Amino acid sequence: AQSVTQLGSHVSVSEGALVLLRCNYSSSVPPYLFWYVQYPNQGLQLLLKYTTGATLVKGINGFEAEFKKSETSFHLTKPSAHMSDAAEYFCAVSIIQGAQKLVFGQGTRLTINP
Amino acid sequence: DVKVTQSSRYLVKRTGEKVFLECVQDMDHENMFWYRQDPGLGLRLIYFSYDVKMKEKGDIPEGYSVSREKKERFSLILESASTNQTSMYLCASSLSAWDMKTDTQYFGPGTRLTVL
Repeated sequence: AQSVTQLGSHVSVSEGALVLLRCNYSSSVPPYLFWYVQYPNQGLQLLLKYTTGATLVKGINGFEAEFKKSETSFHLTKPSAHMSDAAEYFCAVSIIQGAQKLVFGQGTRLTINP
Repeated sequence: DVKVTQSSRYLVKRTGEKVFLECVQDMDHENMFWYRQDPGLGLRLIYFSYDVKMKEKGDIPEGYSVSREKKERFSLILESASTNQTSMYLCASSLSAWDMKTDTQYFGPGTRLTVL
């Protein structure tokens, strides 16, 4: 069965520092992987997704993630954090059970220190 | 732009009440989903629907039911609300269930339900 583990429920970085949010997945078939962001009092918004092809995926707001099959990882990075990046981030993997659905990780809350 | 709207942002109900949460999407999407979001647990799928009048259970359907009479509207029903159903409820929609490669789930703003 597919599952997602996000390492670290809270991550705190300084403004301008590297952001690294970790995600590991378990899947018996080649996965489709997603990162979503949730700003305070809002729904989830898609940041980026990996389906096939290039393993380095670029998303919105300067974020990118790299699919590493050997490590079963899909970590999210941003070279330089901005105050507006403060939010909760969710990693997800798609599964097929009749229809395609998403299985989400537990979420990582990112705090940016001035 | 795809728009998914939910009828209430905040809702307070009493134990035993019947609760309706409404979700409407304006992009003619086939699929609609109801999730529950709790701290430390991420999002968990309650029910989803891939067509009008069609529904399938997700991972945590107990205590919930759903209704989809029209393509654009998907309702989540708590037949008899309990305090352990206090949570954030998120609705989502996507164009097609069958091609996650090109498809994306779009989320509403959420309804924070408190059951007293």
